[in-house]
Parts: sequence; C-alpha cells; structure tokens
Amino acid sequence: GQQVMQIPQYQHVQEGEDFTTYCNSSTTLSNIQWYKQRPGGHPVFLIQLVKSGEVKKQKRLTFQFGEAKKNSSLHITATQTTDVGTYFCAVNFGNEKLTFGTGTRLTIIP
Amino acid sequence: DAGVTQSPTHLIKTRGQHVTLRCSPISGHKSVSWYQQVLGQGPQFIFQYYEKEERGRGNFPDRFSARQFPNYSSELNVNALLLGDSALYLCASSPGTSYGYTFGSGTRLTVV
Repeated sequence: GQQVMQIPQYQHVQEGEDFTTYCNSSTTLSNIQWYKQRPGGHPVFLIQLVKSGEVKKQKRLTFQFGEAKKNSSLHITATQTTDVGTYFCAVNFGNEKLTFGTGTRLTIIP
Repeated sequence: DAGVTQSPTHLIKTRGQHVTLRCSPISGHKSVSWYQQVLGQGPQFIFQYYEKEERGRGNFPDRFSARQFPNYSSELNVNALLLGDSALYLCASSPGTSYGYTFGSGTRLTVV
C-alpha cells in the first residue's frame, strides 16, 4: 500500500544543536502535514504544506516541501528541551485516509 | 472553546468483550476520524466520517465499526476484543478533509 518513509527513526542531540527529519514518498503528494507528539501525549498539528517548493517557518521550526512534491523536511534550529517528542509527517493519498509516517523520535541531552 | 474530548480515558477489558469509545469533536467540525496507535508506532487510520457518512475505512477487521451522530459526535465500537487490540485510540476532528486534524487525548485500551 501507499506509505511514507521517515528518517531517521531516532535522533539524540545536545541542547542547542539543530535537528532535521525527512519524509519521503514514492508518489507525488497533494499536500503534507506535520505533527508533534510529546511522550505520553497525543499528536498536535503543526503545519500543512501544499505548494511545490514551499517553505514555512514557525519560530525555530522550518518546514519544506520538495519541488517534486515527493518529500518534505522539518528542521529545528537550536533545539530546546521543550522540543522533545516524536515528529510525524502525514499525507492524504486522496482516499480520505491520513497516512502517518513512521515518525522521528527526538531526545535532547541537556 | 473545548477541544476534542474522548471518553473514557482508560479502559481495561477482557478478551472477547465489546467496547465503545466516544468522541466529541470541536464545535463546528464535521469531520471525525479514528486512529489506533500501538506503543512506539505512528497512528493507524481506522475510520473517517464526514457529515455522518463514512468517507474512509482503514485495514481493520469487521470487528471494528463506527458511526457519527447528527451532532457530529462519534462512537467507535470493537467487538470480540483480542489482546492485540490493546492500544491508544485517538479521535481527531477537522473542519473538512483538507485541513489539519485536532486530536483528542485518546482512550488507552488494555485487553487482558
């Protein structure tokens, strides 16, 4: 079935270092969403990207949608302990079903 | 405004029993979706309802069913529970299918 691959699966960084997670699909996507799930919590919507090559920023977070609309990335600058959690990309393949990526679990070393 | 509310928050059931999980979406949101999240994995799509009609169904057995009521609240029913049904069940609502989803805090189901 259609799926999205996310890398890396885990990332451990020193506080203050940058972090990036990547999401890849074999098919062209109409849009892509990003969610953050804190340990023990529920997914929280961060952003939706729609346009080819789109770049959006939210404070220290930068989201990109690839030119071919087959991949996306989330970059966090100067990580803080509040950034801990699992970051998921999610896509709708046109069948009313939001498919989540495998997630990248970020841990911060103070 | 209240967010997406789910009840109960925790539930312990025995194999073979039936369970009903409930979800109230954000006011004005007509789309409700259900997800199953097993520990260490991403949410897996179960159902989506929009305007009380089923719009999508994931790869789950017929033991799983759902419905949406006129006030857009929703129920997820699981029959003949198996140990493997133990998971966090998440409900999400959105204004429509092209928007980001707001998730509830989930129902933690344990089947023993």
